[in-house]
Amino acid sequence: GAVVSQHPSRVICKSGTSVKIECRSLDFQATTMFWYRQFPKQSLMLMATSNEGSKATYEQGVEKDKFLINHASLTLSTLTVTSAHPEDSSFYICSARGGTHEQYFGPGTRLTVT
Amino acid sequence: EDKVVQSPLSLVVHEGDTVTLNCSYEVTNFRSLLWYKQEKKAPTFLFMLTSSGIEKKSGRLSSILDKKELFSILNITATQTGDSAVYLCAGNLSGNTGKLIFGQGTTLQVKP
Repeated sequence: GAVVSQHPSRVICKSGTSVKIECRSLDFQATTMFWYRQFPKQSLMLMATSNEGSKATYEQGVEKDKFLINHASLTLSTLTVTSAHPEDSSFYICSARGGTHEQYFGPGTRLTVT
Repeated sequence: EDKVVQSPLSLVVHEGDTVTLNCSYEVTNFRSLLWYKQEKKAPTFLFMLTSSGIEKKSGRLSSILDKKELFSILNITATQTGDSAVYLCAGNLSGNTGKLIFGQGTTLQVKP
Protein backbone atom coordinates (compact mmCIF):
# COMPACT_ATOMS: atom_id res chain seq x y z
CA GLY A 1 0.00 0.00 0.00
CA ALA A 2 0.89 3.67 -0.17
CA VAL A 3 3.39 4.96 2.38
CA VAL A 4 3.40 8.34 4.06
CA SER A 5 6.27 9.41 6.27
CA GLN A 6 6.55 12.19 8.81
CA HIS A 7 9.62 13.80 10.24
CA PRO A 8 10.45 14.19 13.02
CA SER A 9 8.54 11.53 14.90
CA ARG A 10 9.09 13.33 18.16
CA VAL A 11 10.25 16.85 18.97
CA ILE A 12 10.69 18.88 22.12
CA CYS A 13 11.05 22.61 21.80
CA LYS A 14 11.09 25.64 24.03
CA SER A 15 8.19 28.03 24.29
CA GLY A 16 8.43 30.81 21.71
CA THR A 17 10.39 28.85 19.13
CA SER A 18 9.11 27.48 15.82
CA VAL A 19 8.97 23.85 14.76
CA LYS A 20 8.64 22.44 11.27
CA ILE A 21 7.05 19.04 10.61
CA GLU A 22 7.41 17.34 7.23
CA CYS A 23 4.94 15.00 5.59
CA ARG A 24 6.01 13.00 2.55
CA SER A 25 4.21 10.58 0.27
CA LEU A 26 6.91 8.08 -0.60
CA ASP A 27 5.49 6.10 -3.49
CA PHE A 28 2.65 8.15 -4.90
CA GLN A 29 1.85 11.72 -5.79
CA ALA A 30 -0.45 13.44 -3.33
CA THR A 31 -2.50 16.22 -4.79
CA THR A 32 -4.02 16.85 -1.38
CA MET A 33 -2.60 16.50 2.10
CA PHE A 34 -4.42 16.96 5.38
CA TRP A 35 -3.09 17.98 8.76
CA TYR A 36 -4.74 16.73 11.95
CA ARG A 37 -4.14 17.30 15.62
CA GLN A 38 -4.96 14.78 18.30
CA PHE A 39 -4.96 15.53 22.01
CA PRO A 40 -4.66 12.67 24.50
CA LYS A 41 -7.70 10.41 24.56
CA GLN A 42 -9.42 12.51 21.91
CA SER A 43 -10.14 11.96 18.26
CA LEU A 44 -8.41 13.47 15.26
CA MET A 45 -9.34 17.06 14.55
CA LEU A 46 -8.76 18.34 11.03
CA MET A 47 -6.67 21.50 11.07
CA ALA A 48 -6.24 22.25 7.39
CA THR A 49 -6.37 20.91 3.87
CA SER A 50 -3.34 21.49 1.72
CA ASN A 51 -3.42 21.37 -2.08
CA GLU A 52 -0.21 21.34 -4.04
CA GLY A 53 0.66 24.76 -5.39
CA SER A 54 -2.11 26.67 -3.65
CA LYS A 55 -2.90 28.10 -0.24
CA ALA A 56 -4.10 25.79 2.48
CA THR A 57 -7.70 25.84 3.62
CA TYR A 58 -7.94 26.08 7.39
CA GLU A 59 -10.73 24.78 9.58
CA GLN A 60 -12.65 27.13 11.76
CA GLY A 61 -10.72 28.08 14.88
CA VAL A 62 -7.29 27.20 13.49
CA GLU A 63 -4.98 30.19 13.23
CA LYS A 64 -3.35 30.24 9.82
CA ASP A 65 -0.60 32.60 10.96
CA LYS A 66 0.35 30.24 13.76
CA PHE A 67 0.18 27.00 11.79
CA LEU A 68 1.90 27.68 8.49
CA ILE A 69 1.34 25.07 5.83
CA ASN A 70 3.31 24.74 2.64
CA HIS A 71 2.64 22.16 -0.06
CA ALA A 72 5.40 22.90 -2.51
CA SER A 73 5.45 19.61 -4.37
CA LEU A 74 3.25 16.58 -5.01
CA THR A 75 5.15 14.59 -2.39
CA LEU A 76 5.86 17.06 0.37
CA SER A 77 3.83 19.22 2.71
CA THR A 78 5.18 21.01 5.77
CA LEU A 79 3.48 22.32 8.89
CA THR A 80 5.33 24.98 10.87
CA VAL A 81 4.12 25.73 14.37
CA THR A 82 5.26 29.29 14.98
CA SER A 83 5.92 30.77 18.41
CA ALA A 84 4.98 27.51 20.03
CA HIS A 85 3.36 27.44 23.46
CA PRO A 86 2.82 24.54 25.86
CA GLU A 87 -0.84 24.32 24.80
CA ASP A 88 0.36 23.46 21.28
CA SER A 89 1.79 20.23 22.64
CA SER A 90 -0.06 17.50 20.81
CA PHE A 91 0.17 14.66 18.34
CA TYR A 92 0.19 16.00 14.78
CA ILE A 93 -0.75 13.61 11.98
CA CYS A 94 -0.77 14.17 8.26
CA SER A 95 -2.57 12.21 5.61
CA ALA A 96 -2.11 12.18 1.88
CA ARG A 97 -4.60 11.52 -0.85
CA GLY A 98 -3.71 10.32 -4.29
CA GLY A 99 -5.74 9.62 -7.37
CA THR A 100 -7.85 6.90 -5.78
CA HIS A 101 -9.23 9.32 -3.18
CA GLU A 102 -8.16 7.05 -0.34
CA GLN A 103 -6.25 8.75 2.44
CA TYR A 104 -3.07 7.32 3.87
CA PHE A 105 -1.86 8.47 7.25
CA GLY A 106 1.65 9.25 8.34
CA PRO A 107 2.97 7.86 11.63
CA GLY A 108 2.48 11.16 13.43
CA THR A 109 4.73 13.66 15.21
CA ARG A 110 4.63 14.08 18.97
CA LEU A 111 5.30 17.74 19.79
CA THR A 112 6.13 18.78 23.34
CA VAL A 113 6.59 22.47 24.10
CA THR A 114 8.34 23.22 27.38
CA GLU B 1 -22.82 20.92 11.42
CA ASP B 2 -21.30 17.65 10.28
CA LYS B 3 -20.75 15.17 13.06
CA VAL B 4 -19.90 11.56 13.66
CA VAL B 5 -20.74 9.87 16.95
CA GLN B 6 -19.37 6.55 18.11
CA SER B 7 -20.55 4.27 20.86
CA PRO B 8 -19.60 2.92 23.23
CA LEU B 9 -16.67 5.17 24.06
CA SER B 10 -14.89 2.32 25.75
CA LEU B 11 -15.32 -1.41 26.03
CA VAL B 12 -13.57 -4.16 27.95
CA VAL B 13 -14.02 -7.78 26.85
CA HIS B 14 -12.24 -11.10 27.20
CA GLU B 15 -10.47 -12.99 24.48
CA GLY B 16 -12.88 -14.92 22.32
CA ASP B 17 -15.77 -12.50 22.80
CA THR B 18 -17.52 -10.84 19.89
CA VAL B 19 -17.87 -7.05 19.90
CA THR B 20 -19.96 -4.60 17.92
CA LEU B 21 -18.89 -1.00 17.60
CA ASN B 22 -21.37 1.63 16.48
CA CYS B 23 -20.99 4.75 14.41
CA SER B 24 -23.75 7.19 13.51
CA TYR B 25 -23.26 10.17 11.28
CA GLU B 26 -24.81 13.40 10.13
CA VAL B 27 -22.68 14.48 7.22
CA THR B 28 -23.82 16.70 4.40
CA ASN B 29 -22.72 15.59 0.96
CA PHE B 30 -21.88 12.15 2.30
CA ARG B 31 -19.56 10.11 0.13
CA SER B 32 -18.38 7.20 2.23
CA LEU B 33 -17.68 6.00 5.75
CA LEU B 34 -14.30 4.74 6.83
CA TRP B 35 -13.12 2.67 9.76
CA TYR B 36 -9.61 2.92 11.16
CA LYS B 37 -7.70 1.16 13.92
CA GLN B 38 -5.33 3.27 15.97
CA GLU B 39 -2.78 1.78 18.30
CA LYS B 40 0.13 3.85 19.52
CA LYS B 41 0.63 5.84 16.36
CA ALA B 42 -1.41 6.95 13.37
CA PRO B 43 -4.60 5.23 12.25
CA THR B 44 -4.43 2.26 9.94
CA PHE B 45 -7.16 1.78 7.38
CA LEU B 46 -9.70 -1.01 7.88
CA PHE B 47 -12.71 -0.45 5.63
CA MET B 48 -14.34 2.04 3.33
CA LEU B 49 -18.10 1.72 2.90
CA THR B 50 -20.06 3.49 0.23
CA SER B 51 -23.14 1.35 -0.36
CA SER B 52 -25.85 0.29 2.05
CA GLY B 53 -26.25 -3.33 3.04
CA ILE B 54 -23.05 -4.68 1.55
CA GLU B 55 -20.89 -6.27 4.22
CA LYS B 56 -17.16 -5.90 3.96
CA LYS B 57 -15.02 -8.54 5.64
CA SER B 58 -11.39 -8.89 6.50
CA GLY B 59 -10.59 -11.90 8.62
CA ARG B 60 -12.42 -11.58 11.93
CA LEU B 61 -13.49 -8.02 11.18
CA SER B 62 -16.57 -7.04 9.24
CA SER B 63 -18.50 -3.85 8.69
CA ILE B 64 -21.73 -2.70 7.12
CA LEU B 65 -23.35 0.62 6.32
CA ASP B 66 -26.98 1.71 6.53
CA LYS B 67 -27.40 4.92 4.57
CA LYS B 68 -31.07 5.20 5.39
CA GLU B 69 -30.55 5.14 9.15
CA LEU B 70 -27.15 6.86 8.86
CA PHE B 71 -25.06 4.41 10.81
CA SER B 72 -22.44 1.76 10.48
CA ILE B 73 -21.25 -1.09 12.67
CA LEU B 74 -17.89 -2.77 12.99
CA ASN B 75 -17.92 -6.35 14.23
CA ILE B 76 -14.94 -8.20 15.60
CA THR B 77 -15.40 -11.90 16.28
CA ALA B 78 -13.21 -14.14 18.43
CA THR B 79 -11.36 -11.13 19.79
CA GLN B 80 -7.67 -11.34 20.62
CA THR B 81 -5.49 -9.15 22.82
CA GLY B 82 -3.96 -7.71 19.66
CA ASP B 83 -7.33 -6.21 18.82
CA SER B 84 -6.94 -3.81 21.73
CA ALA B 85 -6.88 -0.34 20.18
CA VAL B 86 -8.93 2.75 19.50
CA TYR B 87 -11.33 2.26 16.61
CA LEU B 88 -12.22 5.37 14.70
CA CYS B 89 -14.92 5.92 12.15
CA ALA B 90 -14.95 8.88 9.82
CA GLY B 91 -17.40 10.36 7.37
CA ASN B 92 -15.96 11.32 4.04
CA LEU B 93 -17.50 14.28 2.24
CA SER B 94 -18.12 14.15 -1.47
CA GLY B 95 -16.69 16.66 -3.83
CA ASN B 96 -13.03 17.27 -4.21
CA THR B 97 -12.24 18.17 -0.62
CA GLY B 98 -11.73 14.66 0.68
CA LYS B 99 -12.38 15.93 4.18
CA LEU B 100 -12.81 13.31 6.88
CA ILE B 101 -14.95 14.02 9.93
CA PHE B 102 -13.87 11.70 12.73
CA GLY B 103 -15.89 10.33 15.59
CA GLN B 104 -14.55 10.29 19.14
CA GLY B 105 -13.36 6.74 18.84
CA THR B 106 -14.12 3.56 20.79
CA THR B 107 -11.34 2.28 23.03
CA LEU B 108 -11.41 -1.50 23.03
CA GLN B 109 -9.48 -3.49 25.59
CA VAL B 110 -9.32 -7.25 25.17
CA LYS B 111 -8.20 -9.08 28.28
CA PRO B 112 -6.54 -12.50 28.12
